[in-house]
Amino acid sequence: NAGVTQTPKFQVLKTGQSMTLQCAQDMNHEYMSWYRQDPGMGLRLIHYSVGAGITDQGEVPNGYNVSRSTTEDFPLRLLSAAPSQTSVYFCASSKRISGANVLTFGAGSRLTVL
Amino acid sequence: ILNVEQSPQSLHVQEGDSTNFTCSFPSSNFYALHWYRWETAKSPEALFVMTLNGDEKKKGRISATLNTKEGYSYLYIKGSQPEDSATYLCALANAGGTSYGKLTFGQGTILTVHP
Repeated sequence: NAGVTQTPKFQVLKTGQSMTLQCAQDMNHEYMSWYRQDPGMGLRLIHYSVGAGITDQGEVPNGYNVSRSTTEDFPLRLLSAAPSQTSVYFCASSKRISGANVLTFGAGSRLTVL
Repeated sequence: ILNVEQSPQSLHVQEGDSTNFTCSFPSSNFYALHWYRWETAKSPEALFVMTLNGDEKKKGRISATLNTKEGYSYLYIKGSQPEDSATYLCALANAGGTSYGKLTFGQGTILTVHP
């Protein structure tokens, strides 16, 4: 199994540009989420989804859009990139088993906004 | 926004030392407490998930305990090895609706084990 696949691994954008970070999982997990990691801030939840067609906001959703048209895919869209969105982004998926919802993370996408 | 705090922020130990870190969290509406290990240039990987007060989990030289009444969890590493060097993250899941999968992470404890 590939697990959670994120693309691209690196991206440089100019302020105002838009882009989509792709995330796909092949484990039939119902739950998917996007986190950003900034120095000294830990992992912060941007958006999450509990199944196809269902999404909700996390702690830091502004400037990002998501959609979940299939169980496998959960893309994260930056509408108009800002330097404050320079970060490392992690996609994660999970399935609820025996009450536990352990996350499997992708490899991360490093985004720089100039 | 939930406040999940980890201490210490960083820790340097010698090979063979045993060590422990703390994760503190609000005890109301508790659902689960996760521990992840995050090596440099890799993705976080799950170590333990605990849901019940008094839970203890063990994997090799690493173990964890949970006290949901007072809102803390300890992670212990016995006989630290250089390969244990990593950032250790704890994360809280709250009960209610779909919140079980929304994790609030602490800032992590960076462990460096010197040979």
